[in-house]
Amino acid sequence: KQEVTQIPAALSVPEGENLVLNCSFTDSAIYNLQWFRQDPGKGLTSLLLIQSSQREQTSGRLNASLDKSSGRSTLYIAASQPGDSATYLCAANTGGFKTIFGAGTRLFVKA
Amino acid sequence: GAVVSQHPSWVICKSGTSVKIECRSLDFQATTMFWYRQFPKQSLMLMATSNEGSKATYEQGVEKDKFLINHASLTLSTLTVTSAHPEDSSFYICSAAKDRDYEQYFGPGTRLTVT
Repeated sequence: KQEVTQIPAALSVPEGENLVLNCSFTDSAIYNLQWFRQDPGKGLTSLLLIQSSQREQTSGRLNASLDKSSGRSTLYIAASQPGDSATYLCAANTGGFKTIFGAGTRLFVKA
Repeated sequence: GAVVSQHPSWVICKSGTSVKIECRSLDFQATTMFWYRQFPKQSLMLMATSNEGSKATYEQGVEKDKFLINHASLTLSTLTVTSAHPEDSSFYICSAAKDRDYEQYFGPGTRLTVT
């Protein structure tokens, strides 16, 4: 049974810092892995989707990597800003639309 | 684009009543739609998967008679919470997928409060 874990559960950093959010999954047989952002009381915003054949994806200040063999993905945020404050969720798709979400990392960027 | 809407965005109902939540894919046809629930500070838990014109597939532990799902068309799925109780209060999020690309597009969510 696929399990997705995110570390840390919460993170507070000063503005401008580069930071890394971690996601691990127990079953390496994934179809893709996706990172989302969720603001309080809101739905999900897709940030990056990495297919199983890919190693990383980049969008602006965000870079996500995927290492299937070790069951890990990281989301790198460069030059963090207060507007980046949100909960970040990773989700592993094991095929057939079976998507398992992690519990999320709550990020707070201080001005 | 791939835009998914939900209606209503929030609803308050009395215990024992039923409430319907709509999920629409606005600019694409969704062969498959999904319903999730999220409790405060917890992650999303898949409740059920629905395909247009067929019965929904419910996850283990989800009462199919309590959470009625109808996928009437390729752009609309509805979730009806029947005989709602305070413990059903949660954030309900739907998602939709195009064909078989396995990427889900999420709606903005519906906050249900049962008093």
